[in-house]
Amino acid sequence: EVVMTQSPATMSVSPGERATLSCRASQTVNSNLAWYQQKPGQAPRLLIYGASTRATGIPARFSGSGSGTEFTLTISSLQSEDFAVYYCQQYNNWPPWTFGQGTRVEIK
Amino acid sequence: QVQLQESGPGLVRPSETLSLTCTVSGGPISSSYWSWIRQPPGKGLEWIGYMSYSGSSDYNPSLKSRATISVDTSKSQFSLKLSSVTAADTAVYYCATGISSAYFEFWGRGTLVTVSS
Repeated sequence: EVVMTQSPATMSVSPGERATLSCRASQTVNSNLAWYQQKPGQAPRLLIYGASTRATGIPARFSGSGSGTEFTLTISSLQSEDFAVYYCQQYNNWPPWTFGQGTRVEIK
Repeated sequence: QVQLQESGPGLVRPSETLSLTCTVSGGPISSSYWSWIRQPPGKGLEWIGYMSYSGSSDYNPSLKSRATISVDTSKSQFSLKLSSVTAADTAVYYCATGISSAYFEFWGRGTLVTVSS
């Protein structure tokens, strides 16, 4: 099973600032990586797939990069609605598909 | 826009079978991949398994063959059965779908299932 490790666990960011979230895989997952955003009491929302392709309707301030074992989600200028928990998920080696433990982005 | 809604008992006794249904609207059930994912309270996400429009399926090995997913295209529904449940199976259960079996574009709101006597 591929273990996904996200860092940091929590980050405090001011509105308008850039946030950079990291995700590391225990073995290569090529570019088969997705990012999700989850707000309290809501289902996750797909942001990025293929490591860097934004899902339908996702604002351009969200961008993904990386391949192999190291990945990054960047939010260029945090808006109030972006404070949430973010999960990465690999879909290269299955079963099972595996998720990271999440990074919480909170207001500074 | 595809919409999904989970339904089923919110409380299940230990050792019994958890049964949930996901009703799909706004899109054809016959041409996608249908998945279940769960999230224990305050914890991360765990993929349970999927079934495809062609009938193929796969499951998380950690569930040790306790999970079964089925699809009823006539009712636009797909279902999850998880047998021999324990307290460790207490979680919010989500149904999800998309054009890929591998990542999840559309999600239901989730339903909390508590395993307790």
